[in-house]
Amino acid sequence: EAGVAQSPRYKIIEKRQSVAFWCNPISGHATLYWYQQILGQGPKLLIQFQNNGVVDDSQLPKDRFSAERLKGVDSTLKIQPAKLEDSAVYLCASSLGGTGQINEQFFGPGTRLTVL
Amino acid sequence: AQTVTQSQPEMSVQEAETVTLSCTYDTSESNYYLFWYKQPPSRQMILVIRQEAYKQQNATENRFSVNFQKAAKSFSLKISDSQLGDTAMYFCAFSGTYKYIFGTGTRLKVLA
Repeated sequence: EAGVAQSPRYKIIEKRQSVAFWCNPISGHATLYWYQQILGQGPKLLIQFQNNGVVDDSQLPKDRFSAERLKGVDSTLKIQPAKLEDSAVYLCASSLGGTGQINEQFFGPGTRLTVL
Repeated sequence: AQTVTQSQPEMSVQEAETVTLSCTYDTSESNYYLFWYKQPPSRQMILVIRQEAYKQQNATENRFSVNFQKAAKSFSLKISDSQLGDTAMYFCAFSGTYKYIFGTGTRLKVLA
C-alpha cells in the first residue's frame, strides 16, 4: 500500500513570495489533514477535509493561506504572501474516517519550508 | 475547549530499561479517542498505540502500553525494554467529535 505522498520535500523562498504544497493521500482515505509543525512544537491542524468538503479550518490564516481538495483526492496548500513565521514543516495526513472515530492518521514525509 | 498537555519536554532512558511518558488532556466529551504517535528524527510520524475512552482496559502493543485514567484525564505511555530505535519525539493526541489535537511532544533519547 502506497503511503501519503508530499512534494516538494524542501522549499526555500523569500518573504512575500508565494508557495504551494501538494499532497496525495492513501487511496480510499476520505479524510485529509494539513498540519503546520514549527520546530520543537507539536503539529497544529490547519485544515481538515472530508472528501472534498472542509470540516475544520478554524486555525487556517485565511488572509494568506488557502487549500483545496478537488475531486476529494489530491490536495494543495498555498501560502501567499509568505511571512518569516511561516517557516515550518507542513505535514499532510490522511485517514479512512474523520474525528470522532478511532481511525489512525497516516502521515506524509512533510515539506520543510524556509522563509528568508 | 479541548487541550492536550505533555509536561516532559525531554527524557532519557538506558537501553533495556522502562520509561513512562506523561500526557493529560481536558475535554467535556464522554466519547473520544487517544493516541500516541512517534516521530523519529527526519522520519515520518507513525502511530504507536490508541485507546478508546469507553474501554476500561488499557491498550497494549508489544513493548508499548498505556495507563489510561479517564477520571483523571491522564493517558501515559510506558515503553518497556527500551531500544535505541525508540529514540524519537512522542506526541499524545486527542480525537473528539470535532477536533484532533496534538500535544507539544516529549523528546525521548535511549542511551546505549
